Amino acid sequence: NAGVTQTPKFQVLKTGQSMTLQCAQDMNHEYMSWYRQDPGMGLRLIHYSVGAGITDQGEVPNGYNVSRSTTEDFPLRLLSAAPSQTSVYFCASRERGGLGNEQFFGPGTRLTVL
Amino acid sequence: AQKITQTQPGMFVQEKEAVTLDCTYDTSDQSYGLFWYKQPSSGEMIFLIYQGSYDEQNATEGRYSLNFQKARKSANLVISASQLGDSAMYFCAMRENAGGTSYGKLTFGQGTILTVHP
Repeated sequence: NAGVTQTPKFQVLKTGQSMTLQCAQDMNHEYMSWYRQDPGMGLRLIHYSVGAGITDQGEVPNGYNVSRSTTEDFPLRLLSAAPSQTSVYFCASRERGGLGNEQFFGPGTRLTVL
Repeated sequence: AQKITQTQPGMFVQEKEAVTLDCTYDTSDQSYGLFWYKQPSSGEMIFLIYQGSYDEQNATEGRYSLNFQKARKSANLVISASQLGDSAMYFCAMRENAGGTSYGKLTFGQGTILTVHP
């Protein structure tokens, strides 16, 4: 199993550009999510999905869109990039339900917006 | 109020010594879970240990143990016999309101950077 994969690993954008961060998992997990990590702030939840066709907002959703057409894929779209979106982005997945189900993280995408 | 508080921005420990990383949490739920993750300089998030709020015994995983004090709302990570490879950022996280179709998001603390000296 590849686990959770993310592409690209690094990306530089100019303000106003749009792009899609890709995320895929091969563990048949129903739950998927996107987090961003900023210095001194830990990880914060952007959007999440509890299954194909079902998405919802997390703690910091503004400026981002998601969709979930398949169980495997959960892309994150930046509509009009801003310098405040410079961050490291992590995709994660886990099995449905259960407090203790381990969250598996992808390797991260380091995004810089100029 | 912060849901997860890690008050130690940085910690230093001598190789082979034990170290405790502090974590306090705030929740009104009776059912919740507490996690510790390790993030080395390479950037990936590595799951270390989990403690459920109803677990009567402290969780242990190899050299990692979780000192769970429910009344104090603390969930400190203890690393025994530190190794150079333990140098990393460590995050405490909490999951609330999970079950059924409820997502149960993870809320993370700000992290503690651990440096192990030879």
